[in-house]
Amino acid sequence: QKEVEQNSGPLSVPEGAIASLNCTYSDRGSQSFFWYRQYSGKSPELIMFIYSNGDKEDGRFTAQLNKASQYVSLLIRDSQPSDSATYLCAVKSIYNQGGKLIFGQGTELSVKP
Amino acid sequence: KAGVTQTPRYLIKTRGQQVTLSCSPISGHRSVSWYQQTPGQGLQFLFEYFSETQRNKGNFPGRFSGRQFSNSRSEMNVSTLELGDSALYLCASKQYGEVYEQYFGPGTRLTVT
Repeated sequence: QKEVEQNSGPLSVPEGAIASLNCTYSDRGSQSFFWYRQYSGKSPELIMFIYSNGDKEDGRFTAQLNKASQYVSLLIRDSQPSDSATYLCAVKSIYNQGGKLIFGQGTELSVKP
Repeated sequence: KAGVTQTPRYLIKTRGQQVTLSCSPISGHRSVSWYQQTPGQGLQFLFEYFSETQRNKGNFPGRFSGRQFSNSRSEMNVSTLELGDSALYLCASKQYGEVYEQYFGPGTRLTVT
């Protein structure tokens, strides 16, 4: 079992719809959770982070964390074609000092005009 | 504020050679982590440096090494290159302390022939 799992996709949504990206993790010591967006040929760009159970909203993005279910998700409202990218879920464990992040394989999102 | 910079951006090497990649973190960031990204394995943690000391290490062979200088700039070195070392090498920096958000540089694309 991989430490951080994501559906590889592609996830296809029409423009203006809500895109829902999911991530599960196996380490119960995981304490911090990050969503990165990576356009083809580019490096990952941090778009959201969440440390506490519940929802965290930033513009069109909402991160949701449920530590009991070991589940974190990213919702993108009013999806735009420019949101088409691979979304990477990353997790930091309390057992890892410093900045070591464990990444999922990423979910490819395609927003159709 | 300038972002993370990495040099060179592209590199072509031959099997058996060695290579050194460089990373300059965001001003004020003292932690630098290195990751390898390949289509098959995704983003994998190599190591992290803070205050010129390696604080964390991933599951990579000893051919992969790194160091950090007093100005927080970091280098990673790969000796005796193998075809499988072809990848995007990403550097990420973060602030010191209980701040876990990491910001990636543009990466160095290494091709081993």
